[in-house]
Amino acid sequence: GAGVSQSPRYKVTKRGQDVALRCDPISGHVSLYWYRQALGQGPEFLTYFNYEAQQDKSGLPNDRFSAERPEGSISTLTIQRTEQRDSAMYRCASSLESPQETQYFGPGTRLLVL
Amino acid sequence: LAKTTQPISMDSYEGQEVNITCSHNNIATNDYITWYQQFPSQGPRFIIQGYKTKVTNEVASLFIPADRKSSTLSLPRVSLSDTAVYYCLVAVSGGYNKLIFGAGTRLAVHP
Repeated sequence: GAGVSQSPRYKVTKRGQDVALRCDPISGHVSLYWYRQALGQGPEFLTYFNYEAQQDKSGLPNDRFSAERPEGSISTLTIQRTEQRDSAMYRCASSLESPQETQYFGPGTRLLVL
Repeated sequence: LAKTTQPISMDSYEGQEVNITCSHNNIATNDYITWYQQFPSQGPRFIIQGYKTKVTNEVASLFIPADRKSSTLSLPRVSLSDTAVYYCLVAVSGGYNKLIFGAGTRLAVHP
């Protein structure tokens, strides 16, 4: 079956622009996670959804970052007024349900803010 | 939060067994130990998970001593395609699996 998909795979934007990153989890997966990964580092947790409810957003760096999952399936991570320090790989993962379930990661969106 | 410590890098040769040890001194009673593998340009991929003693699957074995303050991932007879970053994680208790990744161990397998 299809895995986690993310779009776009690459995004180049100018500083100050807003970007929206999309995640399509594995069908039927209840839990959805967003991570950010800098080069040479492990993924850093951003936020977590259980169905449509955002249960933990403690990892979002500041209020320019937001995420939603309105119908409990596809999720969008939005970064407003992008800054160069936002450049990173943004990864989405989903799991069947929590806790202790294996997370399946998508290919990521490489964001470059010029 | 239980912090994990693992070697930054390791080198091995094809056909050898590789053991990567991770320490997690502050592991909580309900925490599981999970290992993920990440190839360049790909997302992390689950390898194995355990709570205590030994777990084995088709890819690896995981050894966890009684005090659970450390764990060892064992990869039998590695090949060049096992070159990757390996992350040891302790699942944070609290109702969902919030993964806290460290820098991982970069394993390089040589011919």
